[in-house]
Amino acid sequence: AQSVSQHNHHVILSEAASLELGCNYSYGGTVNLFWYVQYPGQHLQLLLKYFSGDPLVKGIKGFEAEFIKSKFSFNLRKPSVQWSDTAEYFCAVNALNTDKLIFGTGTRLQVFP
Amino acid sequence: GAVVSQHPSWVICKSGTSVKIECRSLDFQATTMFWYRQFPKQSLMLMATSNEGSKATYEQGVEKDKFLINHASLTLSTLTVTSAHPEDSSFYICSARDMENEKLFFGSGTQLSVL
Repeated sequence: AQSVSQHNHHVILSEAASLELGCNYSYGGTVNLFWYVQYPGQHLQLLLKYFSGDPLVKGIKGFEAEFIKSKFSFNLRKPSVQWSDTAEYFCAVNALNTDKLIFGTGTRLQVFP
Repeated sequence: GAVVSQHPSWVICKSGTSVKIECRSLDFQATTMFWYRQFPKQSLMLMATSNEGSKATYEQGVEKDKFLINHASLTLSTLTVTSAHPEDSSFYICSARDMENEKLFFGSGTQLSVL
């Protein structure tokens, strides 16, 4: 069965620090990969996605993620975080030809000014 | 952008009662909607796929008689937790797939607390 692992459950950073959130998935076939963000009191929103092509994906608000097929990973990065990036981040995987999104457990990011 | 409205956002009920949660796509049509639940510090788990005009498809381990799903129109799906018990307390989130562009949008979630 597919699964998604997010090893960082809670990350605390100061503003301007660099961020990398890990995401690993288990599925042998072709997948679509997503990062979602949920700001306090708001909806889940799509941050970025990978379907095919360039494995380095640029998303909104300066976020990017790199798909490394050999490592089954899709880590999220941002060179310099801001206080407004404080949120819960979810990695998700969707095997092709299915409607199902399998989510990781989420990573809570707190950024202090 | 497209909006999915989920109501109520927070509900407390007594054990044994039923609770209905609504999921509406406000500016697009969705033949497919999804219902997830999330326990504290755990992942969002897909409960069921709701298809307009047909029966929902439930994930393994989800009781279809307990979690009734109705997708009566292209903009509304409802999840009814019947005879709720404290172990049903959880955060429930719906998502809807836009028919035109296949994009997925999420509701804001419903925190259910069963006393």
